[in-house]
Amino acid sequence: AQTVTQSQPEMSVQEAETVTLSCTYDTSENNYYLFWYKQPPSRQMILVIRQEAYKQQNATENRFSVNFQKAAKSFSLKISDSQLGDTAMYFCAFMKPSNFGNEKLTFGTGTRLTIIP
Amino acid sequence: NAGVTQTPKFQVLKTGQSMTLQCAQDMNHEYMSWYRQDPGMGLRLIHYSVGAGITDQGEVPNGYNVSRSTTEDFPLRLLSAAPSQTSVYFCASSYDGQGVGNTIYFGEGSWLTVV
Repeated sequence: AQTVTQSQPEMSVQEAETVTLSCTYDTSENNYYLFWYKQPPSRQMILVIRQEAYKQQNATENRFSVNFQKAAKSFSLKISDSQLGDTAMYFCAFMKPSNFGNEKLTFGTGTRLTIIP
Repeated sequence: NAGVTQTPKFQVLKTGQSMTLQCAQDMNHEYMSWYRQDPGMGLRLIHYSVGAGITDQGEVPNGYNVSRSTTEDFPLRLLSAAPSQTSVYFCASSYDGQGVGNTIYFGEGSWLTVV
């Protein structure tokens, strides 16, 4: 079974600064997918960024980027030029792909990020 | 395109009552699932379905029942509500039959309180 660990329950950073959220995972699989989801106070789950394990290049989406270290089983999220709207709970998630469509997500316990004006 | 729609958004139940959380998606996804989110925890998988007529248990299935009679709908039934089932419930869908590692789309959540 896979496990996902987020060791930072809470973080805060000044607006416009850069912040990095940590995530480690444990798996014996070689091919898998990793995700960061954002959950604002509205509780909706919003996909932030996705990384395929077979790709060496780190994924980037505008101000969001990841540092994917496959050997170390580490998948951190970097938010640059942080904005007040980035205040949310952030979840790291692991998915083992399947040809049959039963692609289940395993979530970490989340990091509550607060952006300070 | 509505995506994943959950109803109701809020519900209060008395212990022992039964109810159904509805979930519908309009993306022709084959895979649908239900998660629950408790304070201080990530989402945990309750039940999932890989297509109409096919369902299976996830990590925390006890006290819940599901069925999948159509591709679009995947209702979650609480058979006899207990306070331990107070949680936020998320429905999700993915996989339109092409490729693997598809992005999973979530509904907006249903807040359930059992008193």
